[in-house]
Amino acid sequence: GQNIDQPTEMTATEGAIVQINCTYQTSGFNGLFWYQQHAGEAPTFLSYNVLDGLEEKGRFSSFLSRSKGYSYLLLKELQMKDSASYLCAVGSWGKFQFGAGTQVVVTP
Amino acid sequence: DTAVSQTPKYLVTQMGNDKSIKCEQNLGHDTMYWYKQDSKKFLKIMFSYNNKELIINETVPNRFSPKSPDKAHLNLHINSLELGDSAVYFCASSPDREQPQHFGDGTRLSIL
Repeated sequence: GQNIDQPTEMTATEGAIVQINCTYQTSGFNGLFWYQQHAGEAPTFLSYNVLDGLEEKGRFSSFLSRSKGYSYLLLKELQMKDSASYLCAVGSWGKFQFGAGTQVVVTP
Repeated sequence: DTAVSQTPKYLVTQMGNDKSIKCEQNLGHDTMYWYKQDSKKFLKIMFSYNNKELIINETVPNRFSPKSPDKAHLNLHINSLELGDSAVYFCASSPDREQPQHFGDGTRLSIL
C-alpha cells in the first residue's frame, strides 16, 4: 500500500515559515507531488520531487528523502492567501494517491 | 484559455437516475483522470487514461463508466445513482503519466 500521513491542521502567523511533513509507506513510486487547494476550488500544483533533495520554487520548496519515506513542503513569507489545504501525493505510472491534506491557517 | 474544463459545475438529481459529466482539455496532454473528493475532502483516484486507453481503474463500482473518444476528452457516465455518490468529481490531465496534473473546477454532485 501507499499510506500517506500528514498533519490535519497547522496555524502560523503572516510572514512566518511553515513546514508541512508527509510520510508514506510504498514499495516504489515515480514522484512525490504537492498541491494547494482553497475551499471550494480545484487543487493546483505547487511542487514535486523525483530525486532526493530540495526543489525550490519561489516561496515554496519541497524536499524528498526516499530512504526515510519522508517529504516536506516549506512555505516561506506566509501570506493570508496561503490559508488553504495542502495535499501530498505519491504518483506511480498514472496512479496518484493523495494524503488527507493539511489545513494551514494563516493569522495576522 | 488553455485549461481543463468540465461540465456541468453542479448536478442535483434523484437516486436511481443516470447522469454524465463531460471533461475536455486543450493542453495537448496525453493522460487524463477522474477523481472523487468526498465530504471529508479526501481526494481519491477513480480512473486514469493514457492516449484514450484505460490504465488505472481503482475498484470503482461498474455503475461508473468512463469513455475517452479522443485524448482530449474523458467523460464519466454514472448509472443508478446512489446517496453515497454525492461528492465533488474532478477531472485532471497531465502531459504524461508521471507529470503534475492540471485539475478542472469540479462537478458538485448531490443525490436527493
